[in-house]
Amino acid sequence: DQQVKQNSPSLSVQEGRISILNCDYTNSMFDYFLWYKKYPAEGPTFLISISSIKDKNEDGRFTVFLNKSAKHLSLHIVPSQPGDSAVYFCAVLTSGTYKYIFGTGTRLKVLA
Amino acid sequence: DSGVTQTPKHLITATGQRVTLRCSPRSGDLSVYWYQQSLDQGLQFLIHYYNGEERAKGNILERFSAQQFPDLHSELNLSSLELGDSALYFCASSVSPGGTIAFGSGTRLTVV
Repeated sequence: DQQVKQNSPSLSVQEGRISILNCDYTNSMFDYFLWYKKYPAEGPTFLISISSIKDKNEDGRFTVFLNKSAKHLSLHIVPSQPGDSAVYFCAVLTSGTYKYIFGTGTRLKVLA
Repeated sequence: DSGVTQTPKHLITATGQRVTLRCSPRSGDLSVYWYQQSLDQGLQFLIHYYNGEERAKGNILERFSAQQFPDLHSELNLSSLELGDSALYFCASSVSPGGTIAFGSGTRLTVV
């Protein structure tokens, strides 16, 4: 039973356009949400996070949106660049626990 | 460079064998996490240690065990290896439970 789902295994976007990556979760107890980026032959690297008390967090070209009622998380990248091509994982956590649960990832390809 | 060091980077071994994967967390981090990524799968949480104590367990097989030593490095022991154990094994660390975690570059285990 997957508690965190990234339903799009892959996404292709033109350079300069917006990339939107989506993530759905099932448990309303999750209250901290993260996005990680992974290049081939490297470990995942932290990108951006948001706690459940907010509905938006922005860091440069990256914005994460949280819709708690829909149990939905999204990552927007604007403008997309070829260097953003990677696999993106969303992760969720319940405060006070130690178990980060990751989605299966979305492979983003930004076309030059 | 995340500061999390994993050795070895690659490991090829035969079915039925036992291997040990090693992880050195970032300086100052007390929490160590182990994850498994099989082909086309997300990151599956295996186990978490904090300052030498086991704090959370995920879908870790009984053939697998881990520990965190007084110097805070951690080892993941995999025994009676099967073909299906072939995967990328990631270690991650954080200062304390919760917040963001930093990943190492992984150990690629191939069981033949």
